[in-house]
Amino acid sequence: GAVVSQHPSWVICKSGTSVKIECRSLDFQATTMFWYRQFPKQSLMLMATSNEGSKATYEQGVEKDKFLINHASLTLSTLTVTSAHPEDSSFYICSAPTSLAGSYNEQFFGPGTRLTVL
Amino acid sequence: GENVEQHPSTLSVQEGDSAVIKCTYSDSASNYFPWYKQELGKRPQLIIDIRSNVGEKKDQRIAVTLNKTAKHFSLHITETQPEDSAVYFCAARRGQAGTALIFGKGTTLSVSS
Repeated sequence: GAVVSQHPSWVICKSGTSVKIECRSLDFQATTMFWYRQFPKQSLMLMATSNEGSKATYEQGVEKDKFLINHASLTLSTLTVTSAHPEDSSFYICSAPTSLAGSYNEQFFGPGTRLTVL
Repeated sequence: GENVEQHPSTLSVQEGDSAVIKCTYSDSASNYFPWYKQELGKRPQLIIDIRSNVGEKKDQRIAVTLNKTAKHFSLHITETQPEDSAVYFCAARRGQAGTALIFGKGTTLSVSS
């Protein structure tokens, strides 16, 4: 099956710094990727849709200047949390749909990145 | 936009009993409904999915039913086992293939032996 990786798996940073999270599709090309955020004991909330070669589409209430998304290639999307604050501490998960045979555009999720802002 | 409601938020059953989780969605254009199992700190794992042109799908102890008219779908787990204990999420795909999933709030299932 399709594999999506994320790096780093966890990161601790100081308040005010920026953190970059990478999402890679390892064995398929993804023109679209999605970024979700999950707070403890809550659901996955869609943050934005990352589109290869064009601007990301952000969900209502998500600050595009704070959560910078770049999708520079067909296998890599990055999420940069700028000027991170403790309230940004969360589990960030990316996903990518694939049209691999039999998948019906099933979405494959990365393993997630645990961000802790001190 | 799409909104997915999921009930119950917690469910406790005895080993061997059945468990049912229900979801409703708001966007009649949604056409794909997956169910995910998530263990603490890990990525969601797809356990079963159903497309809008199908009313029911079964995979061993797991089944999903879909009522398009009522806009609701349900997950049924039979003969539950302790290892079924986890958080389960339903989701609806917002639009055509390749578009984002919108998730329900999740159900914490506890199976006691």
